[in-house]
Amino acid sequence: GENVEQHPSTLSVQEGDSAVIKCTYSDSASNYFPWYKQELGKRPQLIIDIRSNVGEKKDQRIAVTLNKTAKHFSLHITETQPEDSAVYFCAAPESGGSYIPTFGRGTSLIVHP
Amino acid sequence: NAGVTQTPKFQVLKTGQSMTLQCAQDMNHNSMYWYRQDPGMGLRLIYYSASEGTTDKGEVPNGYNVSRLNKREFSLRLESAAPSQTSVYFCASSELGDEQYFGPGTRLTVT
Repeated sequence: GENVEQHPSTLSVQEGDSAVIKCTYSDSASNYFPWYKQELGKRPQLIIDIRSNVGEKKDQRIAVTLNKTAKHFSLHITETQPEDSAVYFCAAPESGGSYIPTFGRGTSLIVHP
Repeated sequence: NAGVTQTPKFQVLKTGQSMTLQCAQDMNHNSMYWYRQDPGMGLRLIYYSASEGTTDKGEVPNGYNVSRLNKREFSLRLESAAPSQTSVYFCASSELGDEQYFGPGTRLTVT
């Protein structure tokens, strides 16, 4: 099955700095890579995703990059704000027909004002 | 649209008691999932249903059973609760290989 590793587990930055979270996956045929944000006490919600036919996708202050050769993808947040503080999860699907996602263990991002 | 709904929001059980967590979605998704979330462990898949009429085990199925009642509803049953099942449970729905929509979660404590 798919193996997803996410780093770092905790990331502390000052407001205005950039934050980068990286995930590696094992199934070379995986083709959909989402990032979810979970605020304290809330449900995970999708913030950005990328499919395997593109290398980068941006949405305002957030971006995702994908390196299929190295089998890793990263979340980039620029000009961080205190409301970006949350736990972020990556996921990658199994490609053997089930497309069931495996989640990383999460990164707790703390943005200090 | 309500999206994905779950009941109850909170539950306290004694060891050995049983309960059913209910989940419903109104997005006409084929696939539904049950996850548990424990500190530092991310979201671990308990069971999933790729389409109405099918269910399959995920990463941590022991101690749980599921029922895909119809396309909208997917329930999770704990037959004999154990303290190790203390967790936050999330239901989700999606089309295969696409964004997952999560319910608000059920916080379960087993004493």
